[in-house]
Amino acid sequence: AQKITQTQPGMFVQEKEAVTLDCTYDTSDQSYGLFWYKQPSSGEMIFLIYQGSYDEQNATEGRYSLNFQKARKSANLVISASQLGDSAMYFCAMRGYGGSQGNLIFGKGTKLSVKP
Amino acid sequence: DTGVSQDPRHKITKRGQNVTFRCDPISEHNRLYWYRQTLGQGPEFLTYFQNEAQLEKSRLLSDRFSAERPKGSFSTLEIQRTEQGDSAMYLCASSLGGTEYEQYFGPGTRLTVT
Repeated sequence: AQKITQTQPGMFVQEKEAVTLDCTYDTSDQSYGLFWYKQPSSGEMIFLIYQGSYDEQNATEGRYSLNFQKARKSANLVISASQLGDSAMYFCAMRGYGGSQGNLIFGKGTKLSVKP
Repeated sequence: DTGVSQDPRHKITKRGQNVTFRCDPISEHNRLYWYRQTLGQGPEFLTYFQNEAQLEKSRLLSDRFSAERPKGSFSTLEIQRTEQGDSAMYLCASSLGGTEYEQYFGPGTRLTVT
């Protein structure tokens, strides 16, 4: 069975500083995809970044980068130069290629608070 | 380009009543997903469609839940004989394809069963 673990219920970061949100995963699939989503207080889930299991380079999207360590089964999100608008819940998720291709498995999330 | 829309945004119902939610995906997306999110948790998968075919259902989807996507466009999720445990945010998402494609989420329908 696939599982996502986010061990940080809440994190604080000073504005303009970088922050790392932890995510570890468990899967028996050889091929899979890892995603990060942001959920502001308004409730909608916003896609941030994707990493394929066979991608050799870490994914980057603007201020977001994914620190992918396959052997450790970790996929940490790094947000550089934090902004007040980054305050939100952040969810790590994964999908496999085998078995279920529809099912996004989410972690419990990390609440990020950016301090001015 | 409009995103995923859901209607209604909020629904309050009494226990035992039936409710129906609607989701309109991004127009060119052939995959549509339903998730449920309770307070303090990440979304949990309920079911998904590829075009009009329902390809997978979670064990969370009891017999009281039914979902349809009759013409491969919008989808409905119906809950019959609602229970207080059904209170949650119901999220709809759509995507262009399989694993490597990101899912775009709608704003959700918040259901409160009294």
